Amino acid sequence: DIVMTQSPDSLAVSLGERATINCKSSESVLYSPSNKYYLGWYQHKPGQPPKLLIHWASTRESGVPDRFSGSGSGTDFTLTISSLQAEDVAVYYCQQYYSLPLTFGGGTKVEIK
Amino acid sequence: QVQLVQSGAEVKKPGSSVKVSCKASGGILDIYAITWVRQAPGQGLEWMGGIIPVSDTAKYAQKFQGRVTFSTDESTSTAYMEINSLRSDDTAVYYCAKVGGPLALIHYGMDVWGQGTTVTVSS
Repeated sequence: DIVMTQSPDSLAVSLGERATINCKSSESVLYSPSNKYYLGWYQHKPGQPPKLLIHWASTRESGVPDRFSGSGSGTDFTLTISSLQAEDVAVYYCQQYYSLPLTFGGGTKVEIK
Repeated sequence: QVQLVQSGAEVKKPGSSVKVSCKASGGILDIYAITWVRQAPGQGLEWMGGIIPVSDTAKYAQKFQGRVTFSTDESTSTAYMEINSLRSDDTAVYYCAKVGGPLALIHYGMDVWGQGTTVTVSS
C-alpha cells in the first residue's frame, strides 16, 4: 500500500497570510504514460462532505479559488493557500489515486491565528 | 447537476448489519464508479473500496474484505454499501463519492460526494 504522510498535523495562520501543507508518498504516484501525478487534495469542513480542490497534483477543480495551488514532484507535494480566508478553516487531506487501495494522508487542520 | 443523495442516519446493535444507499442523478452509474469512504469520530478519511456498476466490478480495502458488500441497482440509479457483523468501531460517517473519470476506480479523484450517513453502533 502507498502510505501518504502529511505535515504538519495542524497549523494556525493569520488571515491573509500563507498556509503551506506538505504531503509525502511512500512511492511514486507518477503515471508515466500521461506524465501526471495521481495525487489529489481535499478540503473537509465539519458537517460537510469532503471537497476535491486539486487533482493531478496541481490542477484546480472548477470553481476553486485561485488562492489554492498544488505543486510537487517525485514523492513530495504541497498545497498552498496564498492568502488565508476565514472560510478556509478546515481539515485538508492529500490522497493518491495511482493504485489500489486508495490512501489518504492523516489530514492537516488549518485554523486562524 | 450531478448529485449523490444518501440514506439517513442509522443506529445499530453490535453484530447486526446496516445497508446504506446512495442515489445518483444524471446517469452517473452508467459511466462512473462509486467509492465509499468513512470517517470515524476524531479520525481521518478511510477508503473502504468501490464498485464500477456497468461491469459490477467491486474492490475492497483489505480490512473490509468479507464483511462489506457493494452493490448497485441500475433501475433506480442507486449504489449500496452493506456492512455485516457491526462492531462499535464501525461507528462513523460513511460517504459515497463518484470517481472523476470513466469506468475506473483509480487514476481520478473523487469529484462528487454524498452528504454522508452517520452509522452508530451501540448496545
